[in-house]
Amino acid sequence: NAGVTQTPKFQVLKTGQSMTLQCAQDMNHNSMYWYRQDPGMGLRLIYYSASEGTTDKGEVPNGYNVSRLNKREFSLRLESAAPSQTSVYFCASSVRVRTDTEAFFGQGTRLTVV
Amino acid sequence: EDKVVQSPLSLVVHEGDTVTLNCSYEVTNFRSLLWYKQEKKAPTFLFMLTSSGIEKKSGRLSSILDKKELFSILNITATQTGDSAIYLCVADMRFGAGTRLTVKP
Repeated sequence: NAGVTQTPKFQVLKTGQSMTLQCAQDMNHNSMYWYRQDPGMGLRLIYYSASEGTTDKGEVPNGYNVSRLNKREFSLRLESAAPSQTSVYFCASSVRVRTDTEAFFGQGTRLTVV
Repeated sequence: EDKVVQSPLSLVVHEGDTVTLNCSYEVTNFRSLLWYKQEKKAPTFLFMLTSSGIEKKSGRLSSILDKKELFSILNITATQTGDSAIYLCVADMRFGAGTRLTVKP
């Protein structure tokens, strides 16, 4: 049971570089999310996708873009990485949007921007 | 502005102690409040609370919601070192900062 799979697990970028974080789920969930976690700040929602074909901004969307490629996959792109984007990124999925259903999380991507 | 506030942010106890973690929320589209446990990596689900006053229990962990006062508590009795983790609450996709619980032998 793969659940939610994120790649890569670790990444170091130079300021100004771009990259895409990949996320795939095999639970046939409708909703997917991208969070970032910084020390002492819990998880903050970057973007979410309530269903295939839709995406919406969360609390901290600036500097990021997303693509809901299909029902399984939801990618997060940093067009021009900044040191402030150094964080641990989690992808999650749930049966439907908002927290009236359990969300399942990937193992996280630790991103360092130097 | 929507917010979820957890307290305390950090807690150190000894094995066998009982702890109470707090979560207050103000969110526009409240449907339920969920608790997660995060050890080294991904958060894992503990409870989902939808109705006021109904306690959810799982072993030594229990949780309850008060929708009038907009808060929830998570209790852990007879704590063990394996309970050491960050405990997160979330309402309407908004997470609190978490409570870091350390249980010493």
